[in-house]
Amino acid sequence: QKEVEQNSGPLSVPEGAIASLNCTYSDRGSQSFFWYRQYSGKSPELIMFIYSNGDKEDGRFTAQLNKASQYVSLLIRDSQPSDSATYLCGKDSSASKIIFGSGTRLSIRP
Amino acid sequence: DTAVSQTPKYLVTQMGNDKSIKCEQNLGHDTMYWYKQDSKKFLKIMFSYNNKELIINETVPNRFSPKSPDKAHLNLHINSLELGDSAVYFCASSQGTSQETQYFGPGTRLLVL
Repeated sequence: QKEVEQNSGPLSVPEGAIASLNCTYSDRGSQSFFWYRQYSGKSPELIMFIYSNGDKEDGRFTAQLNKASQYVSLLIRDSQPSDSATYLCGKDSSASKIIFGSGTRLSIRP
Repeated sequence: DTAVSQTPKYLVTQMGNDKSIKCEQNLGHDTMYWYKQDSKKFLKIMFSYNNKELIINETVPNRFSPKSPDKAHLNLHINSLELGDSAVYFCASSQGTSQETQYFGPGTRLLVL
């Protein structure tokens, strides 16, 4: 089992709808979780991080963490074409490592 | 101002050659990283340095040798390049070593022919 699992997609969502990206992880000891966005040919950039159970909101983005279910998600409200990218879910590991999933490709269709 | 920069951006070379990639950060961070991203977009940690000391050394062939002359710089030297080394190599930095946001450089696209 991979340490961080994501559906590779592509996930196609109509403009203005809510995009829901999901991630599961295998290590119950993980404390912090990260969502990075990566446009094609560009470097990953941090969208959100979360370390407490529940929801964390930042503008159109909401991260949700459920440690009991070992599940973290990212919701994007009012999806825009500019949200089309690959979203990488990551979790902390020992000695400052971030272990990333393979990413979910999101496509927002006009 | 560029926060994390890498040179070169593109590198095309023959199998068996030796090449280096350089990384610099002007964020004042203490920790720097090298990641490899393969053609399937899987991003995997290779090395990490904190204040010039190696703290993460993943299962990477010893043809790869990182070097940190100071905490603002982290270089990666690759000997005897192989076809499988073709990937995008990202440098990143963070303030500390635990639960820290990492900031990525633009990447170096390496193609081994």
